[in-house]
Amino acid sequence: SAVISQKPSRDICQRGTSLTIQCQVDSQVTMMFWYRQQPGQSLTLIATANQGSEATYESGFVIDKFPISRPNLTFSTLTVSNMSPEDSSIYLCSVPRGAGSGEAFFGQGTRLTVV
Amino acid sequence: AQSVAQPEDQVNVAEGNPLTVKCTYSVSGNPYLFWYVQYPNRGLQFLLKYITGDNLVKGSYGFEAEFNKSQTSFHLKKPSALVSDSALYFCAVRDMGMNTGFQKLVFGTGTRLLVSP
Repeated sequence: SAVISQKPSRDICQRGTSLTIQCQVDSQVTMMFWYRQQPGQSLTLIATANQGSEATYESGFVIDKFPISRPNLTFSTLTVSNMSPEDSSIYLCSVPRGAGSGEAFFGQGTRLTVV
Repeated sequence: AQSVAQPEDQVNVAEGNPLTVKCTYSVSGNPYLFWYVQYPNRGLQFLLKYITGDNLVKGSYGFEAEFNKSQTSFHLKKPSALVSDSALYFCAVRDMGMNTGFQKLVFGTGTRLLVSP
């Protein structure tokens, strides 16, 4: 199993500012995923981050708003830029559990409130 | 695109009674289906999956799920609920990202399970 640590666990931010969320995994993984869970809604995949290449974004998400870094095989960051109240969500980091099955491990999430 | 639907926002059950959390799916091809649970202030945890084989899948914490192809359902069940089972449950299906080509999970809207003592 993989242990995923996310920082911060929660934050309250002013609109117009940016927040960088860190995700640390206790083992090397090729792919890391970032999800958003808006209040009362389901999880939505933001992007997939592979080490050594640019992240690939799902429809509706853009790099300028959600820049992602993946400097090595155990670490990734997601930045939520120029925040507005609509960005208030839980952001979760995830890594695959085994190859090809679709199973995943998740971090505990970062609860972001934008005021 | 693949999708799953969870028709119930909340399910209430008394401790010791059987519980069912419903999920229906819409997929092209053979479905890869999952159940995840989210306890308060914690990340999602994998419960079980269906890929092929027996329609009744057993998972963690005494949960099981029944794959029904004719009804396109994958309901989560437990014979005897515990108060500690109270959590948010998500059904999910594997899909391919339209932009990325990578496998991803598509989640339902979640069902909150409340088990009363």
